[in-house]
Amino acid sequence: TQLLEQSPQFLSIQEGENLTVYCNSSSVFSSLQWYRQEPGEGPVLLVTVVTGGEVKKLKRLTFQFGDARKDSSLHITAAQPGDTGLYLCAGGGTGNQFYFGTGTSLTVIP
Amino acid sequence: DSGVTQTPKHLITATGQRVTLRCSPRSGDLSVYWYQQSLDQGLQFLIQYYNGEERAKGNILERFSAQQFPDLHSELNLSSLELGDSALYFCASSVGGGTSYEQYFGPGTRLTVT
Repeated sequence: TQLLEQSPQFLSIQEGENLTVYCNSSSVFSSLQWYRQEPGEGPVLLVTVVTGGEVKKLKRLTFQFGDARKDSSLHITAAQPGDTGLYLCAGGGTGNQFYFGTGTSLTVIP
Repeated sequence: DSGVTQTPKHLITATGQRVTLRCSPRSGDLSVYWYQQSLDQGLQFLIQYYNGEERAKGNILERFSAQQFPDLHSELNLSSLELGDSALYFCASSVGGGTSYEQYFGPGTRLTVT
């Protein structure tokens, strides 16, 4: 099993603050995806990164894949209440399957 | 709306029973994944089918089985249900069968075993 540990597990911040969520593993992944999930709904894909060192920006969200393809980070600038949710990373690993991280629950307070 | 549909949305049943969850992938997607999400275990991969054939197997119990039909919809069968099987079950689909393809998740089926 290829484990992905996310930190922090819980995060509560004020609107307008910046934050970073980390996704770490000792295993190498062929790709890394980030999802946001709201209560009672399915995860929604935010981004896919496939190249070591790759950085992708989507408006206020910046995603980075580590050089060794073992870790990733998600940085949110000027967080808004609409960013509230469970953030999940998922790595494409051996056995042709995705391994999901432990999740980071983000609450942005207006 | 991801384009992936799952039925039923909610299911309440008793221990020892058997249930079937259904998933229709996005139009054009050949691959279907099944996941179980519980509070203590997070999102766990169960099984993947690609164009009707089993492609990958994860932490799926022997009491659980799945299949993908010629029209590409998939069913997950859960039998001899236990209290611990209560969870959200998600289906996801993708165009291809490998992990370089993006997955799109359905809204899930909430299973409650009493």
